[in-house]
Amino acid sequence: EIVLTQSPGTLSLSPGERATLSCRASQSVRSNYLAWYQQKPGQAPRRLMYGASGRATGIPDRFSGSGSGTDFTLTISRLEPEDFAVYYCQQYGTSPTTFGQGTRLEIK
Amino acid sequence: EVQLVESGGGLVQPGGSLRLSCAASGFTFSNYWMSWVRQAPGKGLEWVANIKKDGSEIYYVDSVKGRFTISRDNAKNSLYLQMNNLRAEDTAVYYCARPQFLRDDAFDIWGQGTMVTVSS
Repeated sequence: EIVLTQSPGTLSLSPGERATLSCRASQSVRSNYLAWYQQKPGQAPRRLMYGASGRATGIPDRFSGSGSGTDFTLTISRLEPEDFAVYYCQQYGTSPTTFGQGTRLEIK
Repeated sequence: EVQLVESGGGLVQPGGSLRLSCAASGFTFSNYWMSWVRQAPGKGLEWVANIKKDGSEIYYVDSVKGRFTISRDNAKNSLYLQMNNLRAEDTAVYYCARPQFLRDDAFDIWGQGTMVTVSS
């Protein structure tokens, strides 16, 4: 199975700053089938991105995704207070679908 | 409103059984693959099982094969997970989730989750 490694484990930033989260796959992700999710405490994950760079419905344009092959990035251009949460990547190009271990984005 | 609502979680002893349910509304349930995804306390997400629109194809993560059974009732817009011979490592929040189009896909709809605790 494809192992996804997210970095950093924790990212400490201030509102208004730019956040860059990384997701690296142990092998190439077919057709860039890579999604990103945001999860807040006590809540279910919410899909942010799909197909590496497609923004899900209702997701603000300060969120963007990029990358291909084995290296993918989620960028939040200007952090808002509600963006502080845990973020997961998921690959769905090869069965079984797998998730990264998460990046915690915390307020500095 | 598109919605998934899980129920059936609780505390069970090792070796015990539990049946989770997921009620879907706001979309044509029979048109979609459906999945269960779990999250152990303080840990990441793990896909558990999925089932085709008509129930004709089923897949499991290796760690639950032979112990868990996913099923669905399209007439009742419901998804189920029968969990037998439960182990401590099955302790997790179990989410019902909808893959957007395909068997393996991004999950566009999630339920709120139901907690399963396996402990003596």
